[in-house]
Formats: sequence, structure tokens, C-alpha cells
Amino acid sequence: QVQLVESGGGVVQPGRSLRLSCEASGFTFNTYAMHWVRQAPGKGLEWVAGIRYDGSIEFYADSVKGRFTISRDNSYNTLYLQMNSLRGEDTAVYFCARDLQGQHLIAYYFDHWGQGTLVAVAS
Amino acid sequence: DIQMTQSPSSVSASVGDTVTITCRASQDIRSWLAWYQQKPGKAPKLLIYSSAILQRGVPSRFSGSGAGTDFTLTISSLQPEDFATYYCQQANSVPRLTFGGGTKVEIK
Repeated sequence: QVQLVESGGGVVQPGRSLRLSCEASGFTFNTYAMHWVRQAPGKGLEWVAGIRYDGSIEFYADSVKGRFTISRDNSYNTLYLQMNSLRGEDTAVYFCARDLQGQHLIAYYFDHWGQGTLVAVAS
Repeated sequence: DIQMTQSPSSVSASVGDTVTITCRASQDIRSWLAWYQQKPGKAPKLLIYSSAILQRGVPSRFSGSGAGTDFTLTISSLQPEDFATYYCQQANSVPRLTFGGGTKVEIK
């Protein structure tokens, strides 16, 4: 079955960096686009970034553009999110999510999600 | 960015009731809309995509409709496991994907 397991969250000071990982299993990772979605404590969902199945195209929300970088290593079935210049408003649970479409296409819907990893930005 | 407005923000209902949640887009998104269910402390679950297509494994008491700017999620014969928060998400304005603010379905 499809499994997505995030790691790398924690407490970090404003202005510092953190890298999240998402290890995928149970499906052909290199044929699916992948995304990161976050949820601030007690708030709604916010799409953060997405990446094509081969890593050739990346997409970002305006709120993180220029500070966050999404990447993937298809050899290791792993998705990453490098977060730089962190701010208090980046505090959230970060979910990795698989795109619905597969077959090298992108639907921009999310059919499988990890359990999330908490990032807390505080001094 | 396209704004997605859900109403109501919360609704109280009883087991067996029919619940209707509305999502309105700030501009035409054709049928590029999904609905998710989220329970406390859990990841969201995809229920419906492309406005009306039921995701595999989702019970048929869930249904979606709408196009353009106005969309509806209907839960018929509400079950105990349906008490959760529901979110809509537009996939028309790519890659600026946006979610609605959520609707909490509570037990009356």
C-alpha cells in the first residue's frame, strides 16, 4: 500500500534553515508528481510546493517562493523540502502528498498523504 | 490568487441527516475542484475530485456537484465516522492551488 513518511521537523529559530524529507513506498515514485502542503496550528490547509515526476519543473506558493526549495531523489524514492530564512508564520505541520494522476501527468489533487511533521519557528 | 469561500464554517447534525456544504470560488474554476475530509490529528483524505468524481473507496453517500464558481458537497445519511472537517480545493489556477477555510461537521 502507498506510504509516505515525513521526517526532519523540529524547533528552529527565525532566519534559520531546515530540511524535510518524505520517504515514499508502495508505488512507482518516479511516475508521480509530489507536493508539500502545510497546516498552521488550528488553521486550514495551504499548498506550499509541487514538483514534476522527474524533478524538471517545480511550483511554489508565493508565500515561500525564493525561500523554500522542493526536490526529489527518485533513486531513493524521497521527496525533500529545503526551508531557508524561516519565519514565525512558517510554523505548521508539513504534509507530503502524492498527486492523483500518475503516468507522468499532474492533476493537482492529492490522493495520498503522509502523517505530517511539525515545524515550529520560535526564538 | 483564487479565493475559496466555504459555508457554513460549522454545522451541527445528527446521524442519518443529510448535510450540504458549499464552496464558492472568486472566479471561474470550471470543474477543477476537490473535497477533502480531515479528522483531528490526521492527514486529509481525498473524497471527490473534478467536482463530482468519487475517489476510489469513498462511500457513495458522499457526492459533489457544481461548476464555474459554485460547488456543493453533500453527505447523505450522515454516519458517526463522518464527523470531521471538510475542505474544498481548486486546481484551476495552477500552480497557485488554494483551499477553502474548512467546514466542521459536529454532532448535534
